[in-house]
Amino acid sequence: ILNVEQSPQSLHVQEGDSTNFTCSFPSSNFYALHWYRWETAKSPEALFVMTLNGDEKKKGRISATLNTKEGYSYLYIKGSQPEDSATYLCAFIKGYGQNFVFGPGTRLSVLP
Amino acid sequence: DAEITQSPRHKITETGRQVTLACHQTWNHNNMFWYRQDLGHGLRLIHYSYGVQDTNKGEVSDGYSVSRSNTEDLPLTLESAASSQTSVYFCASSTQGSGELFFGEGSRLTVL
Repeated sequence: ILNVEQSPQSLHVQEGDSTNFTCSFPSSNFYALHWYRWETAKSPEALFVMTLNGDEKKKGRISATLNTKEGYSYLYIKGSQPEDSATYLCAFIKGYGQNFVFGPGTRLSVLP
Repeated sequence: DAEITQSPRHKITETGRQVTLACHQTWNHNNMFWYRQDLGHGLRLIHYSYGVQDTNKGEVSDGYSVSRSNTEDLPLTLESAASSQTSVYFCASSTQGSGELFFGEGSRLTVL
């Protein structure tokens, strides 16, 4: 069983703060790394699909980086807003197996 | 618009009964997945399929089965429901390669 870890488990920040989370995954046989945003009572929605070492992706105030050699990805949120409150999941895809293994998630609460 | 739908959204059943959760997608995706969400475990893979007549066991497949007779549907069957199978179940689909997952809205199952 592949081990995908995320830290911190939960995070409380004030509106306007910038924050970041970490996803750690096995560095061997890497295929892709996804980030998903999961709001309470909704379904997860994809933020980023990352496939190359050194990838940097950005969507508005949210960005992500990828280091496949050392097995980690960072998700950054600049100037957090209350609507950013959600659980952020990363999913690791090994080889060409297309079998997604999810981390446990980081729960972000942005206080107004 | 293409979508992925699950039914029923909520189900209460008794221990020992057979239960089937439906998943239907109109994305024409080859890949379909079933996950369960439990507190402290995040999303765990139950079964997955890469195409018609293809099914594979995931991390927590005991007590569950799936069948793939067409591209659009991947029903999940609990042969004899157990209280440990009380959970929220998510169906998802994706294209081949590193394509993002598209999730259904979830089915909350309670086994009494």
